[in-house]
Amino acid sequence: ETGVTQSPTHLIKTRGQQVTLRCSSQSGHNTVSWYQQALGQGPQFIFQYYREEENGRGNFPPRFSGLQFPNYSSELNVNALELDDSALYLCASSQAQGSVNEQFFGPGTRLTVL
Amino acid sequence: TQLLKQSPQFLSIQEGENLTVYCNSSSVFSSLQWYRQEPGEGPVLLVTVVTGGEVKKLKRLTFQFGDARKDSSLHITAAQTGDTGLYLCAGYISGSARQLTFGSGTQLTVLP
Repeated sequence: ETGVTQSPTHLIKTRGQQVTLRCSSQSGHNTVSWYQQALGQGPQFIFQYYREEENGRGNFPPRFSGLQFPNYSSELNVNALELDDSALYLCASSQAQGSVNEQFFGPGTRLTVL
Repeated sequence: TQLLKQSPQFLSIQEGENLTVYCNSSSVFSSLQWYRQEPGEGPVLLVTVVTGGEVKKLKRLTFQFGDARKDSSLHITAAQTGDTGLYLCAGYISGSARQLTFGSGTQLTVLP
């Protein structure tokens, strides 16, 4: 069974650019959540996708957007990058939405904005 | 504003010592989880506690959920170098089953 994978591993962008991060969920999982983890901090919830629909969002501006595809893989898009967007972006998948379902995390994408 | 506050932020101890990490909030959580994260990896779930006052043991790790479901603790007995890592508490605030809220983490270093 393949776990959650994310690509790319590392990424360097400049202010104002746009970035797309990708996540493949674990087999059998239909729910994907995205988190931002700044250095020395715990992850912060960005949003969750369930069956291709966004069904929960944290305190992040609209320039953070996402997609979920029919195979349940997902993308996180960030427009107009700012220096503070530099962080580790984590994707987690679960069998279904709801707190009873364990989330399995990928290794993350390290984004650096210069 | 950090909904879940963890203390201490950093902890460095010798192998064989005991330690306790705390996770506190003014909000009530329907469930609370503890994760461990190593460099270059995502967090890995250690335990989920659901009932106020619940105590769970996982080998040398003991997890407790406060009676009011606002706080939790993680106690490690006879720490080993392999316990080194970032320990994160996380929970679902009552009424919010989709947004997992994380604490700021406790970086534990166990020295040989």
